[in-house]
Amino acid sequence: EAGVAQSPRYKIIEKRQSVAFWCNPISGHATLYWYQQILGQGPKLLIQFQNNGVVDDSQLPKDRFSAERLKGVDSTLKIQPAKLEDSAVYLCASSLQGHLTETQYFGPGTRLLVL
Amino acid sequence: KQEVTQIPAALSVPEGENLVLNCSFTDSAIYNLQWFRQDPGKGLTSLLLIQSSQREQTSGRLNASLDKSSGRSTLYIAASQPGDSATYLCAGIIKAAGNKLTFGGGTRVLVKP
Repeated sequence: EAGVAQSPRYKIIEKRQSVAFWCNPISGHATLYWYQQILGQGPKLLIQFQNNGVVDDSQLPKDRFSAERLKGVDSTLKIQPAKLEDSAVYLCASSLQGHLTETQYFGPGTRLLVL
Repeated sequence: KQEVTQIPAALSVPEGENLVLNCSFTDSAIYNLQWFRQDPGKGLTSLLLIQSSQREQTSGRLNASLDKSSGRSTLYIAASQPGDSATYLCAGIIKAAGNKLTFGGGTRVLVKP
């Protein structure tokens, strides 16, 4: 079974530029999550999708971050414009139905450096 | 307020010694607790998942316990090997955190040959 795929693996941009990350969850998984992991900290949930609908985006900085999952499969996370403090690893995860007792499976992450 | 805490932030042990990693959480209303391994520059690998109705889970040299009343989980790694060197993260689905998977800061482990 293929795991969660993410691209690109690394990205370096200057502040005020825009950037987009892509995620393809495990086949058949209805729930998709985006996390931000700042160096030395645990991941923090940014947004959760159930199929193509948003379940929770309470911690997403909506003035600069946006995400979509139009067909309920793969997803894109965008930052525009980027700030220095956005430097982090962006992790995508998926689970079968999003039930609270389920395991979340994580992708390899995209490492973003904002200069 | 930090709902999930891991102390210490870093740990170094000689090869062969048993590893004991601690995780504390603030709310006994926890649906499950999961332990992950993260290698440098890599994503998260799920090690063990303990449901709220369970007391422990075992997989090979790994054993994780969950004590909701004291708000603690412990990950034991028996007979540590240099390949066990990584960052270990615990995370729980906690009611007080809005039922999100909430992570501790991790414990960075170095097993010396």
